[in-house]
Amino acid sequence: DAMVIQNPRYQVTQFGKPVTLSCSQTLNHNVMYWYQQKSSQAPKLLFHYYDKDFNNEADTPDNFQSRRPNTSFCFLDIRSPGLGDAAMYLCATSRDPGDNIQYFGAGTRLSVL
Amino acid sequence: KQEVTQIPAALSVPEGENLVLNCSFTDSAIYNLQWFRQDPGKGLTSLLLIQSSQREQTSGRLNASLDKSSGRSTLYIAASQPGDSATYLCAVSGGSNYKLTFGKGTLLTVNP
Repeated sequence: DAMVIQNPRYQVTQFGKPVTLSCSQTLNHNVMYWYQQKSSQAPKLLFHYYDKDFNNEADTPDNFQSRRPNTSFCFLDIRSPGLGDAAMYLCATSRDPGDNIQYFGAGTRLSVL
Repeated sequence: KQEVTQIPAALSVPEGENLVLNCSFTDSAIYNLQWFRQDPGKGLTSLLLIQSSQREQTSGRLNASLDKSSGRSTLYIAASQPGDSATYLCAVSGGSNYKLTFGKGTLLTVNP
């Protein structure tokens, strides 16, 4: 059974139209991560939540926001998607920050038209 | 700033061959190193995790080694099968927030 679930698997949006990607987990892990992976590139950490504490990477654009309303769910909001934001977005969880066994979801492939 | 490099970028081998994938990292102050598998259009599946105090880990036909002082890791796949075809990524953790830094991966194709 899937433990980290991302919805939708594929998302198409228009240039400048806000979009939200969803991630849920059944592992009751404290930490949730969002990564961006462009074609043939390494996954790049955007931010993570340790419980309710939000940690933004220094080079994550302001266009990207995140919400974690409870332990199970975490959302990635892209306020005004540009063509350069088309990518695979990966959600991951871990029990604690020092527990580096991260469990990944299947990803959401975002296309921007 | 930690940088992770994987060589080769792509590898094509006939079925049954033993192969080695390489990963190098610039900062040896790591907590651990992980190897992941990624199928096309899919998420990441963790294959092996090596703690910084360990030298190697084995799982089935996979063996991963770690030489922290030289900043290198290898993933050995024995008796490769077409089902092993995927992209293999390595990632190291370090820093105050245990952040994972990934390489770009090696695209492996095993031909029947």
